[in-house]
Amino acid sequence: EAGVAQSPRYKIIEKRQSVAFWCNPISGHATLYWYQQILGQGPKLLIQFQNNGVVDDSQLPKDRFSAERLKGVDSTLKIQPAKLEDSAVYLCASSDQRGEAFFGQGTRLTVV
Amino acid sequence: AQSVTQLDSQVPVFEEAPVELRCNYSSSVSVYLFWYVQYPNQGLQLLLKYLSGSTLVKGINGFEAEFNKSQTSFHLRKPSVHISDTAEYFCAVSPSGYSTLTFGKGTMLLVSP
Repeated sequence: EAGVAQSPRYKIIEKRQSVAFWCNPISGHATLYWYQQILGQGPKLLIQFQNNGVVDDSQLPKDRFSAERLKGVDSTLKIQPAKLEDSAVYLCASSDQRGEAFFGQGTRLTVV
Repeated sequence: AQSVTQLDSQVPVFEEAPVELRCNYSSSVSVYLFWYVQYPNQGLQLLLKYLSGSTLVKGINGFEAEFNKSQTSFHLRKPSVHISDTAEYFCAVSPSGYSTLTFGKGTMLLVSP
């Protein structure tokens, strides 16, 4: 079974630029999550989708972050404009009806 | 709201020695508890979980954890570690199954020969 796919694996941008990350969840998984993992900290939930609807985006900085999940499958997370403090690993995870979340390898973003 | 405290940021240990990684949580409601492992440049992998039932939970790779409600703890243990166990370990809680996990800051387990 293919796992959660994320791209790119690494990205370096200058502050104030924009960036987008892509996630392809495990086939059939209705729930998709985006987490932000800052160096030295545990992952923090940014947004949770159920199919193509948002379940929880209470910790998403909506002035600069946006996410969508068209057709309830792939998802993109965008940052515009990026700040230095956005440097982190962005993890995508998906889960089926049983609930266990499977994580992708993440995208490491460096903002300089 | 829930929170998780992992008391040790790093735990160095020699190969074949036992290890315990500590986790304490705070919650006003019943919680579900998890341990995840993260190898370098990898995503998180579920080691074990406590949802209900027996308080001693066995997971993959020989790890186990014990839920202690009175001490609000969920410490992870392994009787004999291997070099390949070197990784970062995260404790997490959720009020409702697997969704909306709240993670601790992680403990880096460093196993040396």
